[in-house]
Amino acid sequence: DADVTQTPRNRITKTGKRIMLECSQTKGHDRMYWYRQDPGLGLRLIYYSFDVKDINKGEISDGYSVSRQAQAKFSLSLESAIPNQTALYFCATSEAATTDTQYFGPGTRLTVL
Amino acid sequence: QKEVEQDPGPLSVPEGAIVSLNCTYSNSAFQYFMWYRQYSRKGPELLMYTYSSGNKEDGRFTAQVDKSSKYISLFIRDSQPSDSATYLCAIRRDTPLVFGKGTRLSVIA
Repeated sequence: DADVTQTPRNRITKTGKRIMLECSQTKGHDRMYWYRQDPGLGLRLIYYSFDVKDINKGEISDGYSVSRQAQAKFSLSLESAIPNQTALYFCATSEAATTDTQYFGPGTRLTVL
Repeated sequence: QKEVEQDPGPLSVPEGAIVSLNCTYSNSAFQYFMWYRQYSRKGPELLMYTYSSGNKEDGRFTAQVDKSSKYISLFIRDSQPSDSATYLCAIRRDTPLVFGKGTRLSVIA
């Protein structure tokens, strides 16, 4: 089984709808991250969490919120989806080591019509 | 100036060629340097990391860091079609990794 799983893998929704993307990990890492990836823009950090009680905004947090339900679970919500949130979303985890190597999930492809 | 700059390509080479992928960075405080590989429709995966100036080899891959020039490189020897992917550099200071935008590489058989 994959160490980092994301659900759903694909989602098509309409403008204004609330969407939740979920991430689970079995690596036992404390740190979890949400990124979005767009062509030509690379990976951009949305939110990150260094433990269950810690939530930090990333580069592009506007329009998004997160919830860290447990060490192994980190959810990303779009309260009112808009078309420019159409992107590939990745969850990642890392342990608090010097290199902070990140392990990525398979991604969720979100389309907002 | 962006913290990490990476030429997005695309880069197309024949099988067997030596490939050079590069990133520049602006902050001399960066300490850890990584290369991730991302296949189409997959998440990025760590390929190599290093924390000092100089070279680090792993099979056909060599990571090179020049801290004085703030320049990092990934060399792929004897490139294979299976190396076709997007390669992202990533650099660490005291907060989450900073990623380059990635270079898309195609190795043509």
